[in-house]
Amino acid sequence: GENVEQHPSTLSVQEGDSAVIKCTYSDSASNYFPWYKQELGKRPQLIIDIRSNVGEKKDQRIAVTLNKTAKHFSLHITETQPEDSAVYFCAASNRGSQGNLIFGKGTKLSVKP
Amino acid sequence: NAGVTQTPKFQVLKTGQSMTLQCAQDMNHNSMYWYRQDPGMGLRLIYYSASEGTTDKGEVPNGYNVSRLNKREFSLRLESAAPSQTSVYFCASSVDREDQPQHFGDGTRLSIL
Repeated sequence: GENVEQHPSTLSVQEGDSAVIKCTYSDSASNYFPWYKQELGKRPQLIIDIRSNVGEKKDQRIAVTLNKTAKHFSLHITETQPEDSAVYFCAASNRGSQGNLIFGKGTKLSVKP
Repeated sequence: NAGVTQTPKFQVLKTGQSMTLQCAQDMNHNSMYWYRQDPGMGLRLIYYSASEGTTDKGEVPNGYNVSRLNKREFSLRLESAAPSQTSVYFCASSVDREDQPQHFGDGTRLSIL
């Protein structure tokens, strides 16, 4: 079955710097890759997603890149702000695993003012 | 719009007690899911319902049962609670199961003594 690994587990950056979180997946049939942000005590919220027919997607300060050959995808946050501090989860799904999302274990991002 | 609503928000049980976690969505979604979230473990799928009238096991189904009461409601039952089931439980829904973003409820924080 699918396995998703996420690195790093913790990340600390200065306000205004960029942050990059990387995920690798094991099943080459995976075709949908969402990213969720979870603030302390809150629900996970979708911030961006990408499908396998696209290599890159951007939404303001957030971008996701996908390398299907290497089976990895990354979240890029530019010009970080203190309100970006949260836990970020990547996930992958494929129709071979009945379409269910498999989540990484999360990255705790801290943005220092 | 309420989105996905979970009740209760907090619950403390004694070992061996039973209880049902309730989830309802008002987005006319076909698919619904129950996850548990433990520190450092990400989100793990307990059960899912691809459509009204169907339910299937996820990654960690032991000790749980589910009921898809109608299109809106999907409940999770613990028949005989164990301390290992202490966790935060999230319900989610999506338009359908494949390649679609999932929308999460606020979670139920469950402690079993």
